Amino acid sequence: EAGVTQSPTHLIKTRGQQATLRCSPISGHTSVYWYQQALGLGLQFLLWYDEGEERNRGNFPPRFSGRQFPNYSSELNVNALELEDSALYLCASSLFYGSNQPQHFGDGTRLSIL
Amino acid sequence: QQQVKQSPQSLIVQKGGISIINCAYENTAFDYFPWYQQFPGKGPALLIAIRPDVSEKKEGRFTISFNKSAKQFSLHIMDSQPGDSATYFCAATRTDSNTGKLIFGQGTTLQVKP
Repeated sequence: EAGVTQSPTHLIKTRGQQATLRCSPISGHTSVYWYQQALGLGLQFLLWYDEGEERNRGNFPPRFSGRQFPNYSSELNVNALELEDSALYLCASSLFYGSNQPQHFGDGTRLSIL
Repeated sequence: QQQVKQSPQSLIVQKGGISIINCAYENTAFDYFPWYQQFPGKGPALLIAIRPDVSEKKEGRFTISFNKSAKQFSLHIMDSQPGDSATYFCAATRTDSNTGKLIFGQGTTLQVKP
């Protein structure tokens, strides 16, 4: 069974640009979660999508947004990039709606802002 | 209230020894506590998880101990091996809120010396 896949592996952008990160969940999983892993800050919850709808978002500015497609894949968009957005962005998926479902992570997209 | 505090930040153990990582939480509504293992360049992988209705859960060489009254839980790695060298994260969430949000500790970097 294929795990959570994320693309691209690395992404280099400059300040003010926009970045799009993509995630394909484990087959059969309907919930997708996004986390930011910045150096020294641990993993911070960004967004949760289920059945195409945004269910919850973390304490991040509105320039962080995303969506979930009918095939349950998801993309994270970050607008007006700032230097502090440099981080590893992790996508996780779970079987279905509910906080008690184990979240399984992909290997992330390393976003570097120059 | 939303924090999970993890210690130590780093740990060096000899091969065959016991590695112990501790986490503490404040929010008594948390009721699901997973542990993740992360190797360099990879995403976090779910190791083992526990709920407050049990005091201990064992899977192979990995054991979670849970102390509800003290609001603490810990990961024990028995017979530690060089292949266990990784960063370990504890996490917590409340499953009744359906926020989808895992709150992570800051991580512990484990080095097992041969």
